[in-house]
Amino acid sequence: SQQGEEDPQALSIQEGENATMNCSYKTSINNLQWYRQNSGRGLVHLILIRSNEREKHSGRLRVTLDTSKKSSSLLITASRAADTASYFCATDATSGSRLTFGEGTQLTVNP
Amino acid sequence: SAVISQKPSRDICQRGTSLTIQCQVDSQVTMMFWYRQQPGQSLTLIATANQGSEATYESGFVIDKFPISRPNLTFSTLTVSNMSPEDSSIYLCSVVGDPTEAFFGQGTRLTVV
Repeated sequence: SQQGEEDPQALSIQEGENATMNCSYKTSINNLQWYRQNSGRGLVHLILIRSNEREKHSGRLRVTLDTSKKSSSLLITASRAADTASYFCATDATSGSRLTFGEGTQLTVNP
Repeated sequence: SAVISQKPSRDICQRGTSLTIQCQVDSQVTMMFWYRQQPGQSLTLIATANQGSEATYESGFVIDKFPISRPNLTFSTLTVSNMSPEDSSIYLCSVVGDPTEAFFGQGTRLTVV
């Protein structure tokens, strides 16, 4: 089964700076998604990028996907203290199938 | 979208006892997923629950330890049986929308003492 790896494991930045998190996976995917988790609560969907897309934007979020390198990055611009959370990538092999989650990045944005 | 109500939100249990976690979805869904998240780690899929059939368990998880019920298309339960401190985790239920966006319950934080 594919396994996502994320780096860095932890990231601490100042408010207003940009935060970049990376995700790598091992097998072919249909979609790659990013989720956010606050303090061990339920995950919230942020953005989905399909395997035939290379870049996607949503507000302050920018996601890139490089299927040749089996990697993705999530950029949060102009970070805020409220962005402090854990961020996970998740991949699926086919639409509607189970998701495989990466190890996650703990982001801390200091005010 | 889907809204999932999961309860309890947290519990502290004695070892050797069992805890049943409930998830109620505001719409009918074919599959529901149960995850475990151990402290500081990512999500691991326990099983997939389909209505009207037995749940499909992932490697390392067995029905005797994690029995699942799925009586209808909007409800499921996961029981953590004969608990030990190693079962202390966050347990999450999830459904998948279109195309594959997942929606999660609020999670159940379980501590076994």
